[in-house]
Amino acid sequence: RKEVEQDPGPFNVPEGATVAFNCTYSNSASQSFFWYRQDCRKEPKLLMSVYSSGNEDGRFTAQLNRASQYISLLIRDSKLSDSATYLCVVTDDYKLSFGAGTTVTVRA
Amino acid sequence: NAGVTQTPKFQVLKTGQSMTLQCAQDMNHEYMSWYRQDPGMGLRLIHYSVGAGITDQGEVPNGYNVSRSTTEDFPLRLLSAAPSQTSVYFCASSFKIWAGQETQYFGPGTRLLVL
Repeated sequence: RKEVEQDPGPFNVPEGATVAFNCTYSNSASQSFFWYRQDCRKEPKLLMSVYSSGNEDGRFTAQLNRASQYISLLIRDSKLSDSATYLCVVTDDYKLSFGAGTTVTVRA
Repeated sequence: NAGVTQTPKFQVLKTGQSMTLQCAQDMNHEYMSWYRQDPGMGLRLIHYSVGAGITDQGEVPNGYNVSRSTTEDFPLRLLSAAPSQTSVYFCASSFKIWAGQETQYFGPGTRLLVL
């Protein structure tokens, strides 16, 4: 079983729509959680950290459910520029585990 | 600051050849790591380092060596290239030793094809 699993998508949504997707992790002792964004053939970049209480950054909302071992990302009012692959990252001590990514395509 | 730099950007090797992928950062980061990214697999940790002179294995270390003689540089050596090592390689760094609480800064990647 993979440590971090994501629905690969793709999620094809119109501009202005809301899109949400989850990521599940297998290690209950995981300590920190992040969402990274990766554009085609580019390096990953941090989108946001995920806190137990949930957190927002503009149009992006991240949630953590430790009991069910999943994190979620919701994008409101989607923009064309949100088209990317979103990587779920879970950490344990010195090691980061990445999901394979969820691809989101926003169409005009 | 240049951030995290990687060379080369692209490389084609023949099976059995060796080579070194270079990674350097100018942010005085303690933690550095190497990942490979394959379709449908996500990034997988190859090796990491928590400071100069200290390295450890990640999830997929076989066929790769690393060393960390300075804070800035963290080269990855392929000992005898195999087609299974065809991948995109990313180097990353962060300020603190404990990577979990720190933003990882990635280099632009090296695309490697082994024939």
